[in-house]
Amino acid sequence: AQSVTQLDSQVPVFEEAPVELRCNYSSSVSVYLFWYVQYPNQGLQLLLKYLSGSTLVKGINGFEAEFNKSQTSFHLRKPSVHISDTAEYFCAVSVPGDTGRRALTFGSGTRLQVQP
Amino acid sequence: EAQVTQNPRYLITVTGKKLTVTCSQNMNHEYMSWYRQDPGLGLRQIYYSMNVEVTDKGDVPEGYKVSRKEKRNFPLILESPSPNQTSLYFCASRKLANAESSEQYFGPGTRLTVT
Repeated sequence: AQSVTQLDSQVPVFEEAPVELRCNYSSSVSVYLFWYVQYPNQGLQLLLKYLSGSTLVKGINGFEAEFNKSQTSFHLRKPSVHISDTAEYFCAVSVPGDTGRRALTFGSGTRLQVQP
Repeated sequence: EAQVTQNPRYLITVTGKKLTVTCSQNMNHEYMSWYRQDPGLGLRQIYYSMNVEVTDKGDVPEGYKVSRKEKRNFPLILESPSPNQTSLYFCASRKLANAESSEQYFGPGTRLTVT
């Protein structure tokens, strides 16, 4: 079975500062990795995903993430955040070939609070 | 516009009063799923459906029922709600082909309070 750990439940940061949201996963097989964002009072939407190839993945709104297989991590970064980036961010994994129920296993989420 | 809709968005009810939360998608997706989101726990899957008349339990199915009579609709039924079902509920859908690598589309959420 897979699991996802997001160590930071909340990350406060000032506007225009860089930010890194951490995600570590555990799996005995290769996985696909995702970051979803949930803006206040909205559903989740996909920020970016890693399936294969280059370990640096670029997503929407200036976010990027780097897959590190040896450290089983998929940290999300942005060089300069805006107030509008305030949201909850979820890391998730799925298993190639698993078309069954567990399409995604989610972490517990990290609330990014951008302060002026 | 491609979307997943849920109704109602907010619901306050009392213990034991049956309720249904509707979910509909307009993307012709085979796969649909219900999650509940609780603080510190992330999203946990309640039930999922891989196509019409095909449903199965997720991680936390107790106290819930679902049905999939049409491809676009996937209602969540609470026959006898209890306070521990107070939560934020999300419906999601995705295509079945290459499912594990494809994006899941989420509805806006239904905040349920059971008193």
